[in-house]
Amino acid sequence: GAVVSQHPSRVICKSGTSVKIECRSLDFQATTMFWYRQFPKQSLMLMATSNEGSKATYEQGVEKDKFLINHASLTLSTLTVTSAHPEDSSFYICSARTSGGYNTQYFGPGTRLTVL
Amino acid sequence: DAKTTQPPSMDCAEGRAANLPCNHSTISGNEYVYWYRQIHSQGPQYIIHGLKNNETNEMASLIITEDRKSSTLILPHATLRDTAVYYCIVRVANSNTGKLIFGQGTTLQVKP
Repeated sequence: GAVVSQHPSRVICKSGTSVKIECRSLDFQATTMFWYRQFPKQSLMLMATSNEGSKATYEQGVEKDKFLINHASLTLSTLTVTSAHPEDSSFYICSARTSGGYNTQYFGPGTRLTVL
Repeated sequence: DAKTTQPPSMDCAEGRAANLPCNHSTISGNEYVYWYRQIHSQGPQYIIHGLKNNETNEMASLIITEDRKSSTLILPHATLRDTAVYYCIVRVANSNTGKLIFGQGTTLQVKP
């Protein structure tokens, strides 16, 4: 099946620093990738949709200047949390959608971000 | 995309079939039913999807009612490793638009 990887799997950083998370589709090309955030005991919340070669589309209430998304190739999207604060601590999950067919979305394993 | 309704939790005995229901009464003709599951602290895993015919793969079976207003995911022989949150989502397939919006899902607890 389609495989999506994320790096790093967990990261701890100090308040005010920026953190970059990578999302890769390993065995397929993904024109569209998605970024989700999940707080403890809650469901996944879609943050933004990322299309290769164009600007990301952010969901309502998500600050585009705080969560920078780059989708420079068909297999790589990055999420940068800028000037992270403790309230940004969360589980960040990316997803990549196959092109053609049923356009199924496959998810990465997630990145646990802890901001001290 | 249409909204879905699932029971918040279910229990199942190990080795028995787990039947997870989902209501999607406002589903449109071009929307598929997708099922994903999330095991604790992992990313969601794709299970199966269907339009109107029943579907089966190595993981599960999907039964969709004739009016398409509800469906049931069946795990034929549940194991302890099937304990997870199961999400039923409807979305237009064969499209470059549309996105998966997650509800609260059903927490399935498989017990020995």
